[in-house]
Amino acid sequence: AQSVTQPDIHITVSEGASLELRCNYSYGATPYLFWYVQSPGQGLQLLLKYFSGDTLVQGIKGFEAEFKRSQSSFNLRKPSVHWSDAAEYFCAVGANNQGGKLIFGQGTELSVKP
Amino acid sequence: AAGVIQSPRHLIKEKRETATLKCYPIPRHDTVYWYQQGPGQDPQFLISFYEKMQSDKGSIPDRFSAQQFSDYHSELNMSSLELGDSALYFCASSPIAGVSYEQYFGPGTRLTVT
Repeated sequence: AQSVTQPDIHITVSEGASLELRCNYSYGATPYLFWYVQSPGQGLQLLLKYFSGDTLVQGIKGFEAEFKRSQSSFNLRKPSVHWSDAAEYFCAVGANNQGGKLIFGQGTELSVKP
Repeated sequence: AAGVIQSPRHLIKEKRETATLKCYPIPRHDTVYWYQQGPGQDPQFLISFYEKMQSDKGSIPDRFSAQQFSDYHSELNMSSLELGDSALYFCASSPIAGVSYEQYFGPGTRLTVT
């Protein structure tokens, strides 16, 4: 069965520092991969997605992610974190053979220190 | 740009009551997904519809039912509410059915069962 693992429940970084959030997936075929961000009490906003092609994808708000098939990973990165980036980040895999539903990881809560 | 609309945004019900949540997808999106997010949890897929037909079903209790109407809006009906049903319920829409194309999420309906 498809699954997504985000090993870090909570990460704290200083403003201006670089960020990497980890995501590992389990999926038999070529996955469709997504990163969503959720501010407290808010909906989910799509940051970026990977379907095929270039394994380094660019998203909104200066985020990027790299698909590494050999490591079954899709880590999210940002070179310089802003205080407004504090939120919950979810990695998700699309189940193409099951109607397109998304399977989410447990989420990583990001805190930003001034 | 138009987004997914969910109503109501907040709902308070007592145990054993019923609740109806509504979702209006982005125009020209014909696929709707429902997710449930418990406190501190990741979103869990409940059910999806494509062209008014159920396309996939997840861990949705038998007490819940849903449908998609001719104008593509969807309603999630929840009966015999339990305390454990308290959660944030998201609706998402997608322009391509059965494929994990990006899903656009609404702001959610926060259901509190007392």
